[in-house]
Amino acid sequence: DQQVKQNSPSLSVQEGRISILNCDYTNSMFDYFLWYKKYPAEGPTFLISISSIKDKNEDGRFTVFLNKSAKHLSLHIVPSQPGDSAVYFCGNAGGTSYGKLTFGQGTILTVHP
Amino acid sequence: AAGVIQSPRHLIKEKRETATLKCYPIPRHDTVYWYQQGPGQDPQFLISFYEKMQSDKGSIPDRFSAQQFSDYHSELNMSSLELGDSALYFCASSLGLAGGKVYFGPGTRLTVT
Repeated sequence: DQQVKQNSPSLSVQEGRISILNCDYTNSMFDYFLWYKKYPAEGPTFLISISSIKDKNEDGRFTVFLNKSAKHLSLHIVPSQPGDSAVYFCGNAGGTSYGKLTFGQGTILTVHP
Repeated sequence: AAGVIQSPRHLIKEKRETATLKCYPIPRHDTVYWYQQGPGQDPQFLISFYEKMQSDKGSIPDRFSAQQFSDYHSELNMSSLELGDSALYFCASSLGLAGGKVYFGPGTRLTVT
């Protein structure tokens, strides 16, 4: 069974600084890792993904790093903005359906002006 | 751009009643996923459909059933409702096996009293 864990329930950073969100996983049999952002009372919004054959993927202010040996995934947001304040979920996609996402518990990011 | 539509947005039912949640995927998307998010929990995958056939199954109770229709919309039927079924139910859609990149709807909040 794929397990994804986000050990930090919350993170607080100052506007303009870097936000680093972390995620650990236990099962290496997957194809993609993803990060989703979620505001209260809304559905998760896809942010960025990374293939298991890569170790870095960048999209604007968002960069995802994959450390396969450590089974660790991280999301860097630079520079952080107040509008980034939300719950961030990491997930991996596996099985026969790439959309069958297994999510971590989420990290609440608060970016202070 | 058109997004995933879910109806109703809010639903209140009593124990042992039946509920039907509807999901209308993004136009041309052929894959639909259902997730359940309980209070304080991460989203849990329930079931998915690709081209009107069930493609994957997660932790969906036997009291629940779902299907995808010819127009690709999907319905989640929930019978003998229990208090523990109170949750936010998300539908997501994608175009085929999208590498984990799925688009979530706003969710249906089901409250069982």
